[in-house]
Amino acid sequence: GAVVSQHPSWVICKSGTSVKIECRSLDFQATTMFWYRQFPKQSLMLMATSNEGSKATYEQGVEKDKFLINHASLTLSTLTVTSAHPEDSSFYICSAKPSGNREQYFGPGTRLTVT
Amino acid sequence: AQSVAQPEDQVNVAEGNPLTVKCTYSVSGNPYLFWYVQYPNRGLQFLLKYITGDNLVKGSYGFEAEFNKSQTSFHLKKPSALVSDSALYFCAVRAPGGGNKLTFGTGTQLKVEL
Repeated sequence: GAVVSQHPSWVICKSGTSVKIECRSLDFQATTMFWYRQFPKQSLMLMATSNEGSKATYEQGVEKDKFLINHASLTLSTLTVTSAHPEDSSFYICSAKPSGNREQYFGPGTRLTVT
Repeated sequence: AQSVAQPEDQVNVAEGNPLTVKCTYSVSGNPYLFWYVQYPNRGLQFLLKYITGDNLVKGSYGFEAEFNKSQTSFHLKKPSALVSDSALYFCAVRAPGGGNKLTFGTGTQLKVEL
Protein backbone atom coordinates (compact mmCIF):
# COMPACT_ATOMS: atom_id res chain seq x y z
CA GLY A 1 0.00 0.00 0.00
CA ALA A 2 0.81 3.72 0.14
CA VAL A 3 1.70 4.21 -3.52
CA VAL A 4 2.21 7.64 -5.04
CA SER A 5 2.36 8.10 -8.79
CA GLN A 6 3.49 10.99 -10.95
CA HIS A 7 2.63 11.75 -14.53
CA PRO A 8 4.40 12.23 -16.78
CA SER A 9 7.62 10.54 -15.77
CA TRP A 10 9.51 12.79 -18.14
CA VAL A 11 8.60 15.72 -20.33
CA ILE A 12 10.37 17.96 -22.80
CA CYS A 13 8.87 21.34 -23.54
CA LYS A 14 9.86 24.47 -25.38
CA SER A 15 10.88 27.63 -23.61
CA GLY A 16 7.89 29.85 -22.90
CA THR A 17 5.33 27.08 -22.71
CA SER A 18 3.66 25.71 -19.60
CA VAL A 19 3.74 22.15 -18.39
CA LYS A 20 1.59 20.37 -15.82
CA ILE A 21 2.78 17.54 -13.59
CA GLU A 22 0.31 15.36 -11.72
CA CYS A 23 0.82 13.65 -8.38
CA ARG A 24 -1.66 11.02 -7.24
CA SER A 25 -1.99 8.95 -4.11
CA LEU A 26 -3.32 5.65 -5.44
CA ASP A 27 -4.48 3.82 -2.35
CA PHE A 28 -4.87 6.42 0.35
CA GLN A 29 -6.18 9.90 0.86
CA ALA A 30 -3.53 12.56 1.17
CA THR A 31 -4.47 15.52 3.28
CA THR A 32 -1.10 17.08 2.55
CA MET A 33 1.11 16.90 -0.51
CA PHE A 34 4.58 18.27 -0.98
CA TRP A 35 6.52 19.31 -4.06
CA TYR A 36 10.29 19.05 -4.17
CA ARG A 37 12.87 20.00 -6.73
CA GLN A 38 16.13 18.15 -7.15
CA PHE A 39 19.09 19.33 -9.21
CA PRO A 40 21.63 16.81 -10.45
CA LYS A 41 23.65 15.32 -7.64
CA GLN A 42 21.99 17.58 -5.10
CA SER A 43 19.49 17.22 -2.34
CA LEU A 44 15.76 17.66 -2.47
CA MET A 45 14.59 21.20 -1.90
CA LEU A 46 11.05 21.64 -0.68
CA MET A 47 9.18 24.01 -2.97
CA ALA A 48 5.73 24.06 -1.43
CA THR A 49 3.26 22.31 0.81
CA SER A 50 -0.35 21.96 -0.22
CA ASN A 51 -3.36 20.95 1.80
CA GLU A 52 -6.49 19.77 0.06
CA GLY A 53 -8.87 22.58 -0.64
CA SER A 54 -6.59 25.40 0.42
CA LYS A 55 -3.80 27.47 -1.05
CA ALA A 56 -0.32 26.09 -1.13
CA THR A 57 2.37 27.37 1.20
CA TYR A 58 5.52 28.18 -0.72
CA GLU A 59 9.05 28.07 0.63
CA GLN A 60 11.13 31.20 0.59
CA GLY A 61 12.50 31.97 -2.83
CA VAL A 62 9.96 29.91 -4.75
CA GLU A 63 7.85 31.98 -7.16
CA LYS A 64 4.24 31.06 -6.59
CA ASP A 65 3.13 32.65 -9.85
CA LYS A 66 5.59 30.52 -11.75
CA PHE A 67 5.00 27.24 -9.97
CA LEU A 68 1.24 26.91 -9.65
CA ILE A 69 0.08 24.21 -7.26
CA ASN A 70 -3.44 22.90 -7.07
CA HIS A 71 -4.63 20.28 -4.58
CA ALA A 72 -8.20 19.85 -5.71
CA SER A 73 -8.90 16.47 -4.18
CA LEU A 74 -7.56 14.16 -1.51
CA THR A 75 -5.79 12.07 -4.13
CA LEU A 76 -4.52 14.58 -6.65
CA SER A 77 -2.18 17.54 -6.65
CA THR A 78 -0.80 19.27 -9.72
CA LEU A 79 2.24 21.43 -10.28
CA THR A 80 2.18 23.71 -13.32
CA VAL A 81 5.40 25.30 -14.40
CA THR A 82 4.32 28.41 -16.28
CA SER A 83 6.37 30.07 -18.99
CA ALA A 84 9.10 27.51 -18.54
CA HIS A 85 12.72 28.39 -19.14
CA PRO A 86 15.80 26.17 -19.45
CA GLU A 87 16.76 26.93 -15.85
CA ASP A 88 13.52 25.27 -14.76
CA SER A 89 14.85 21.98 -16.08
CA SER A 90 15.04 19.70 -13.09
CA PHE A 91 13.71 16.57 -11.42
CA TYR A 92 10.44 17.29 -9.64
CA ILE A 93 9.32 14.92 -6.90
CA CYS A 94 6.06 14.96 -5.02
CA SER A 95 5.17 13.29 -1.77
CA ALA A 96 1.85 12.65 -0.11
CA LYS A 97 0.96 12.34 3.52
CA PRO A 98 -2.08 10.51 4.86
CA SER A 99 -3.97 11.96 7.78
CA GLY A 100 -2.92 11.00 11.25
CA ASN A 101 0.49 10.05 12.51
CA ARG A 102 1.92 8.70 9.27
CA GLU A 103 4.85 9.83 7.21
CA GLN A 104 5.15 11.05 3.64
CA TYR A 105 5.26 8.69 0.70
CA PHE A 106 7.24 9.81 -2.32
CA GLY A 107 6.39 9.65 -5.98
CA PRO A 108 8.85 8.41 -8.61
CA GLY A 109 9.63 11.90 -9.88
CA THR A 110 9.22 13.78 -13.15
CA ARG A 111 12.17 14.81 -15.26
CA LEU A 112 11.46 18.18 -16.91
CA THR A 113 13.68 19.40 -19.72
CA VAL A 114 13.05 22.84 -21.19
CA THR A 115 14.66 23.50 -24.54
CA ALA B 1 16.25 26.05 11.97
CA GLN B 2 16.83 22.37 11.43
CA SER B 3 19.65 21.01 9.32
CA VAL B 4 21.24 17.76 8.29
CA ALA B 5 24.84 17.10 7.33
CA GLN B 6 26.09 14.15 5.36
CA PRO B 7 29.84 14.67 5.36
CA GLU B 8 30.69 12.14 2.67
CA ASP B 9 29.70 12.70 -0.94
CA GLN B 10 30.61 9.11 -1.76
CA VAL B 11 31.29 5.92 0.13
CA ASN B 12 32.95 2.94 -1.52
CA VAL B 13 32.80 -0.51 0.01
CA ALA B 14 33.48 -4.04 -1.15
CA GLU B 15 30.59 -6.46 -1.35
CA GLY B 16 30.27 -8.46 1.83
CA ASN B 17 31.90 -5.80 3.96
CA PRO B 18 30.00 -3.69 6.47
CA LEU B 19 28.96 -0.23 5.39
CA THR B 20 28.32 3.01 7.24
CA VAL B 21 26.83 6.18 5.82
CA LYS B 22 27.17 9.11 8.19
CA CYS B 23 24.58 11.69 9.17
CA THR B 24 24.52 14.39 11.81
CA TYR B 25 21.65 16.71 12.53
CA SER B 26 20.71 19.93 14.24
CA VAL B 27 17.20 20.53 15.51
CA SER B 28 15.41 22.00 18.49
CA GLY B 29 13.86 19.36 20.67
CA ASN B 30 13.77 15.64 20.08
CA PRO B 31 14.23 14.90 16.40
CA TYR B 32 12.38 12.64 14.03
CA LEU B 33 15.07 11.14 11.80
CA PHE B 34 14.77 9.31 8.50
CA TRP B 35 16.82 7.52 5.89
CA TYR B 36 15.74 7.30 2.26
CA VAL B 37 17.35 5.65 -0.75
CA GLN B 38 17.14 6.88 -4.32
CA TYR B 39 17.98 4.89 -7.43
CA PRO B 40 18.78 6.74 -10.70
CA ASN B 41 15.83 8.71 -12.07
CA ARG B 42 13.56 7.39 -9.35
CA GLY B 43 11.82 8.89 -6.35
CA LEU B 44 12.80 8.27 -2.77
CA GLN B 45 12.19 5.00 -1.02
CA PHE B 46 11.78 4.95 2.73
CA LEU B 47 14.33 2.83 4.60
CA LEU B 48 13.76 3.55 8.27
CA LYS B 49 12.94 6.17 10.84
CA TYR B 50 13.61 7.03 14.46
CA ILE B 51 10.90 8.71 16.48
CA THR B 52 11.46 7.50 20.01
CA GLY B 53 12.45 4.40 21.91
CA ASP B 54 15.31 2.07 21.05
CA ASN B 55 18.34 3.88 19.70
CA LEU B 56 18.97 1.12 17.17
CA VAL B 57 16.37 1.16 14.44
CA LYS B 58 16.02 -1.66 11.94
CA GLY B 59 14.65 -0.96 8.49
CA SER B 60 14.20 -2.33 5.02
CA TYR B 61 16.72 -4.45 3.07
CA GLY B 62 18.82 -5.24 6.15
CA PHE B 63 19.68 -1.63 6.93
CA GLU B 64 19.77 -0.23 10.43
CA ALA B 65 20.64 3.09 11.99
CA GLU B 66 21.77 4.15 15.42
CA PHE B 67 20.49 7.30 17.05
CA ASN B 68 23.13 8.95 19.22
CA LYS B 69 21.77 11.95 21.02
CA SER B 70 25.04 13.12 22.55
CA GLN B 71 26.73 13.13 19.15
CA THR B 72 23.59 14.26 17.31
CA SER B 73 24.18 11.50 14.80
CA PHE B 74 22.05 8.97 12.98
CA HIS B 75 24.45 6.84 10.95
CA LEU B 76 23.09 4.26 8.54
CA LYS B 77 24.66 0.80 8.69
CA LYS B 78 24.49 -2.61 7.11
CA PRO B 79 26.54 -5.61 8.23
CA SER B 80 27.18 -6.99 4.75
CA ALA B 81 26.89 -4.79 1.66
CA LEU B 82 25.46 -5.94 -1.66
CA VAL B 83 26.22 -4.56 -5.12
CA SER B 84 22.50 -3.84 -5.40
CA ASP B 85 22.79 -1.44 -2.44
CA SER B 86 24.63 0.99 -4.70
CA ALA B 87 22.45 4.11 -4.74
CA LEU B 88 22.09 7.60 -3.36
CA TYR B 89 21.19 7.78 0.32
CA PHE B 90 19.53 10.73 2.01
CA CYS B 91 19.24 11.46 5.70
CA ALA B 92 16.37 13.73 6.75
CA VAL B 93 15.10 15.35 9.92
CA ARG B 94 11.75 16.64 11.01
CA ALA B 95 11.36 18.79 14.08
CA PRO B 96 8.62 17.85 16.53
CA GLY B 97 5.86 20.40 16.24
CA GLY B 98 7.42 21.66 13.03
CA GLY B 99 4.62 20.46 10.85
CA ASN B 100 5.45 17.86 8.26
CA LYS B 101 8.44 19.59 6.76
CA LEU B 102 11.39 17.31 6.09
CA THR B 103 14.86 18.76 5.75
CA PHE B 104 17.22 16.60 3.72
CA GLY B 105 20.96 16.22 3.73
CA THR B 106 22.91 16.54 0.51
CA GLY B 107 23.03 12.82 -0.03
CA THR B 108 25.77 10.19 -0.06
CA GLN B 109 26.45 8.07 -3.09
CA LEU B 110 27.13 4.51 -2.02
CA LYS B 111 29.11 2.33 -4.39
CA VAL B 112 29.44 -1.33 -3.60
CA GLU B 113 31.98 -3.19 -5.71
CA LEU B 114 32.68 -6.85 -6.25
